[in-house]
Amino acid sequence: QSVLTQPPSVSTAPGQKVTISCSGSSSNIGKNYVSWYQQVPGTAPKLLIYDNDKRPSGIPDRFSGSKSGTSATLGITGLQTGDEADYYCGTWDSSPSAWVFGGGTKLTVL
Amino acid sequence: QLQLQESGPGLVKPSETLSLTCTVSGGSISSSNYYWGWIRQPPGKGLEWIGSLYYGGSTYYNPSLKSRVTISLDTSKNQFSLKLSVTAADTSVYYCARHGRAAPSTWIDYWGQGTLVTVSS
Repeated sequence: QSVLTQPPSVSTAPGQKVTISCSGSSSNIGKNYVSWYQQVPGTAPKLLIYDNDKRPSGIPDRFSGSKSGTSATLGITGLQTGDEADYYCGTWDSSPSAWVFGGGTKLTVL
Repeated sequence: QLQLQESGPGLVKPSETLSLTCTVSGGSISSSNYYWGWIRQPPGKGLEWIGSLYYGGSTYYNPSLKSRVTISLDTSKNQFSLKLSVTAADTSVYYCARHGRAAPSTWIDYWGQGTLVTVSS
């Protein structure tokens, strides 16, 4: 069981919007910044969002992040078949001092 | 451009020690600006943080692995390493990575390509 809870899978049609939730607690998401990672099967994860809502250089603005209380959300608009991947949230858990990931969400673009 | 590359044996016997090295190019691990770490992913499963360390600073480990793991830096070779005493449950793809700032609580912005380690007799 992961410390952070994500839906196992989401699916939607090309061109649509999707949100992926990440639920934690007061010791992790409630106290620390959240980041999001995209992992195409067989490749290393790639940073999509950091500090809750910031995008690294090169990440299109179709990807967005937000946080409220002990939950965070990744949003993706204008979905493309190339967005099919596993998505993970991550943050620091202050008690104990450890980095934690969500269990991952498989995005299918039908 | 920063690059990280894992290296080490792909097969380890149970009760032995897994030893992996991450070679960093395009940047110095002795810079006081970043934490460096290891993350693993069992086949078909999610990501698990193993631990992170910092030149001249503290080392943090996953509490569930702390009794079996050691992470260290070799600044002369611009490398950092992972040692883990293993069971079959430790079969995973192992990634080395860099945190975005000089704190283990920050995002992970660079990842190695990963290396599969199988634990089997």
